[in-house]
Amino acid sequence: RKEVEQDPGPFNVPEGATVAFNCTYSNSASQSFFWYRQDCRKEPKLLMSVYSSGNEDGRFTAQLNRASQYISLLIRDSKLSDSATYLCVVNDKAGGFKTIFGAGTRLFVKA
Amino acid sequence: DVKVTQSSRYLVKRTGEKVFLECVQDMDHENMFWYRQDPGLGLRLIYFSYDVKMKEKGDIPEGYSVSREKKERFSLILESASTNQTSMYLCASSFPGEQYFGPGTRLTVT
Repeated sequence: RKEVEQDPGPFNVPEGATVAFNCTYSNSASQSFFWYRQDCRKEPKLLMSVYSSGNEDGRFTAQLNRASQYISLLIRDSKLSDSATYLCVVNDKAGGFKTIFGAGTRLFVKA
Repeated sequence: DVKVTQSSRYLVKRTGEKVFLECVQDMDHENMFWYRQDPGLGLRLIYFSYDVKMKEKGDIPEGYSVSREKKERFSLILESASTNQTSMYLCASSFPGEQYFGPGTRLTVT
């Protein structure tokens, strides 16, 4: 079993749609969680951290379920510019060095 | 604004050549990382460093070495390049916390 697993997609959605990505992780001791975004032929960039209580940033909502060991990302009112690959990232200790990246989920938003 | 730069965007080398990839960050970050990214496999950690002259193996260190002589600079060395090292190489730095990535070097070994 991979340490961090994501559905590779691609997800093809129309503008304005709501789309959700899930990510599961295998190490129950994992402590910090992130979503990164990677545009085609570009480097990954932090989209948002994921907190235990869940957090929202505009159209983006991240949730953590420690009992089931998964994190989710919800994008509301999708824009064309949201088209990218979304990477789930897990740290095995807070700020620590064992950072594991998922393989990413590709999203295409179409007009 | 954090800036992480890598010495080349594209590189073509022959099998057996020694290859140097350089990474420089300007935010006085303690931690620096080298990853490779391959389709379907995501980012895999090759080596990381949490201080000058310190280095730790990541998940796939075989065939690679690193050097960190100055805090801002972290070099990845392929001692004898092989075709299975054709990949996108990404450098990152962090304080700790969020990792900031360089633009990547697409290395092709022929």
